[in-house]
Amino acid sequence: DGGITQSPKYLFRKEGQNVTLSCEQNLNHDAMYWYRQDPGQGLRLIYYSQIVNDFQKGDIAEGYSVSREKKESFPLTVTSAQKNPTAFYLCASSGMAQEQFFGPGTRLTVL
Amino acid sequence: AQSVTQLGSHVSVSEGALVLLRCNYSSSVPPYLFWYVQYPNQGLQLLLKYTTGATLVKGINGFEAEFKKSETSFHLTKPSAHMSDAAEYFCAVSEEDGNNRLAFGKGNQVVVIP
Repeated sequence: DGGITQSPKYLFRKEGQNVTLSCEQNLNHDAMYWYRQDPGQGLRLIYYSQIVNDFQKGDIAEGYSVSREKKESFPLTVTSAQKNPTAFYLCASSGMAQEQFFGPGTRLTVL
Repeated sequence: AQSVTQLGSHVSVSEGALVLLRCNYSSSVPPYLFWYVQYPNQGLQLLLKYTTGATLVKGINGFEAEFKKSETSFHLTKPSAHMSDAAEYFCAVSEEDGNNRLAFGKGNQVVVIP
């Protein structure tokens, strides 16, 4: 089955700790995206990548980093510089049709 | 950057009644338009989309939406609400810069009253 997988589903982080969220797709899509979702605020774009080895900051990139070494993978690192990281994180990908396909999400909680 | 407006963060509808969720956008050129649905603790699922052609678009689960260029709107409707329609709904619009990004509205949390 084609789709997007995210792991882990739940993640707990201690203050000052970096954590990495995984996103993998087998849809052969060139573009991938990371969003942050907070209650009542919709989806806010963190980073996006239109092609391997290239990525751009979105609207709220501070405190986050990404890499795009393979077409299938777009991991997101939440660094200690992100002061309020507790949120639901969604990964998406898109092909030629502009429609974005979403993964099931990772819920990150800071202890 | 695009601006997408969805009024009413929480929408209550009686089972069997019309579901109407409003979406207005700011684009000056015809955009691509999408409605997504999200169930608790899950990702977003595409309900329907408008790219070109017929302005009345039918989607999954009995939903439809109409693109009105003159009103810069893309309202979502369903004639008769089911309990299973309880979810959060997001309107999204393609950005004008050609970078394959979408701008999302803040969402409508739909509650269906039996």
